[in-house]
Amino acid sequence: SQQGEEDPQALSIQEGENATMNCSYKTSINNLQWYRQNSGRGLVHLILIRSNEREKHSGRLRVTLDTSKKSSSLLITASRAADTASYFCATLTGANSKLTFGKGITLSVRP
Amino acid sequence: SAVISQKPSRDICQRGTSLTIQCQVDSQVTMMFWYRQQPGQSLTLIATANQGSEATYESGFVIDKFPISRPNLTFSTLTVSNMSPEDSSIYLCSVTGTRTGELFFGEGSRLTVL
Repeated sequence: SQQGEEDPQALSIQEGENATMNCSYKTSINNLQWYRQNSGRGLVHLILIRSNEREKHSGRLRVTLDTSKKSSSLLITASRAADTASYFCATLTGANSKLTFGKGITLSVRP
Repeated sequence: SAVISQKPSRDICQRGTSLTIQCQVDSQVTMMFWYRQQPGQSLTLIATANQGSEATYESGFVIDKFPISRPNLTFSTLTVSNMSPEDSSIYLCSVTGTRTGELFFGEGSRLTVL
C-alpha cells in the first residue's frame, strides 16, 4: 500500500521561481527520502532526512520534516529548466527496512 | 554510490513469451531489489533478491511469474514469464549499501507487451 502521498500531483512554474512539493505519510518512519526521475530514466536519490531531524539542505534543495503532522516538504530554489522531472518521496520504516514510494509529482519548469 | 547497469534497456515482446532482465553492479552489495513502475505510476517493490537463496516476494508477486536469480553479490536477473499487455512497465533494479536505506537505481528496462 502507498505510504507517501505527494501533492500537488503536477506543478508548472517559471524558471527562477521556487518549487515546493509536499509529502504526507501514514506510519512512523526511520527516514524520508526524495528522488528525482527524468523522463524514461531511473531514479536518482536527492536527499534524506532522518526522523529526528527537522530540516536539511543540499545545494538548492531544502527538505523539512514534521513528524507530528507526518509530512515533509521539498523546496527547490531558483528552479531551472533542467529540474523538469518527476519527484517522489519515499519512506523507510523500521518494520521491514524497505522503502515505500509515493505516487510522485510532475514538475515542469518553463524556460 | 554504486553504478548499476541493466539490460535490455527496452524491448517489445509478444504475449505469452518470457523476458529476462539483467542487473550488474560495479561493487558488491548486500541488498538488491526489483521494482516495477507501470505507466504513469509510482514504484512497486516486486521482491528482494537474496544472494544464494530464494528471493523474498512482496504481496501480489509470485515466483512463477517473476523468477529471480542472484548468483553473487554483484549480479541479478528478473524474468517476466508468460507476459501479457498488463506486464508492460519499466522494471528497475536497485541496490542499497548503506544503513540508512538510500537506494541507487539502474536506468530501468522498459518492456512493452503486444
